[in-house]
Amino acid sequence: EVVLTQFPDTLSVSPGERVTLSCRASQTFNNNLAWYQQKPGQAPRLLIYGVSTRATGVPARFLGSGSGTDFTLTISSLQSEDFAVYYCQQFDDWPITFGQGTRLEIK
Amino acid sequence: EVQLVESGGGLVKPGRSLRLSCAASGFTFSSYTMNWVRQAPGKGLEWVSSITPGSSYMYYADSVKGRFTISRDNGESSLYLQMNSLRLEDTAIYFCARDHGPWAARPLLSPDRLAPWGQGTLVTVSS
Repeated sequence: EVVLTQFPDTLSVSPGERVTLSCRASQTFNNNLAWYQQKPGQAPRLLIYGVSTRATGVPARFLGSGSGTDFTLTISSLQSEDFAVYYCQQFDDWPITFGQGTRLEIK
Repeated sequence: EVQLVESGGGLVKPGRSLRLSCAASGFTFSSYTMNWVRQAPGKGLEWVSSITPGSSYMYYADSVKGRFTISRDNGESSLYLQMNSLRLEDTAIYFCARDHGPWAARPLLSPDRLAPWGQGTLVTVSS
């Protein structure tokens, strides 16, 4: 099973700042990694897949990168609607696994 | 518009059973692997189970294997999760989610990113 560890658990940032979220895998896998955004009371929303491909309708300020065991999600200029919890997910092999999440808070 | 609507959640005692449903619309249901993902209160996402379009393959998390059964009815565009021997730790919001890509476009028997998701149904296991 691929274990995904996200860090930090919580990030306090101000609107307009650039932020980088990290996701580290317990083993190397093909770049079948996705990022999701979840706001309170809502279902997760797919943001990025295949490491760096933005899902339909996702703003260009969301950038995914990485390879091997280390992956990052960068938000180039935080907007108020970006404050949420972000999860990484691997879909390289069964079982599907998620990271524990990183919460973005307003500073 | 693609829609997934879960139902069937509620309060149930430990050891009892519950059946969740997910009604799908807006896409060719029989072309996609479908999934259940849960989220315990205040916690992260946990994949539960997946089923391929023709029900030939079903996958389960170790935490539910032997207790939960996933199934689907392509004629009704519906996904189900039969949950038996429920435990306190099964308390969670259960989301139905579609594979992002159709089965025919995926590498054989591989998982996928998940989109879209339903809004979820809450299952509370408590005595």
